Amino acid sequence: DIQMTQSPSSVSASVGDRVTVTCRASQGISTWLTWYQQKPGKAPKVLIYAASILESGVPSRFSGSGSGTDFTLTIATLQPEDFATYYCQQAHSFPWTFGQGTRVEVK
Amino acid sequence: EVQLLESGGGLVQPGGSLRLSCAASGFTFSSYTMNWVRQAPGKGLEWVSAISTTGDSTYFADSVKGRFTISRDNSQNTVTLNMDNLRADDTAVYFCARGSSGANYWGQGTLVTVSS
Repeated sequence: DIQMTQSPSSVSASVGDRVTVTCRASQGISTWLTWYQQKPGKAPKVLIYAASILESGVPSRFSGSGSGTDFTLTIATLQPEDFATYYCQQAHSFPWTFGQGTRVEVK
Repeated sequence: EVQLLESGGGLVQPGGSLRLSCAASGFTFSSYTMNWVRQAPGKGLEWVSAISTTGDSTYFADSVKGRFTISRDNSQNTVTLNMDNLRADDTAVYFCARGSSGANYWGQGTLVTVSS
């Protein structure tokens, strides 16, 4: 199985900050990488798919990059509604695997 | 509008069985791989199972292999997860999710609690 290692597990940030989350795959997955945002009590929401393609309707302050084993999610200018937990997920092969999650908290 | 509506969750004793259903609408159901993903209380996301468009291919996480089965009815736009020999660590919210290269639509989830 492909292991996804996400870091950091949490980050404290303020509105307006730039936030970066990284995700590393245990083997190459090309660009089969999706980023999700999840708020408490809600289903995850896709932000980025194919490593760098912004899902329709997602604000442009979110961006993704990487290929192979190393990936990054960046929130350019953190907004109040962005405080949430973020997950990466590989779709290169079954079983799909998720990173452990990164909680973006208010500083 | 794409909608996925899960049902069938509840309280079950260890060793018991439960059947979860997901009713899909707003898209051509037969064109999409369907998945179940779960989330234990306070924990991260864990993919559980997937089924191909025709139902010919199914996939399972090691943690549920041999205990869970997945099926779909393309005439009724439903996907079903049959869960047998349930354990306490199966306690989670179970989400139905659409997609084969990432899940771009999710249901609201149904809670399964395994406890005596």
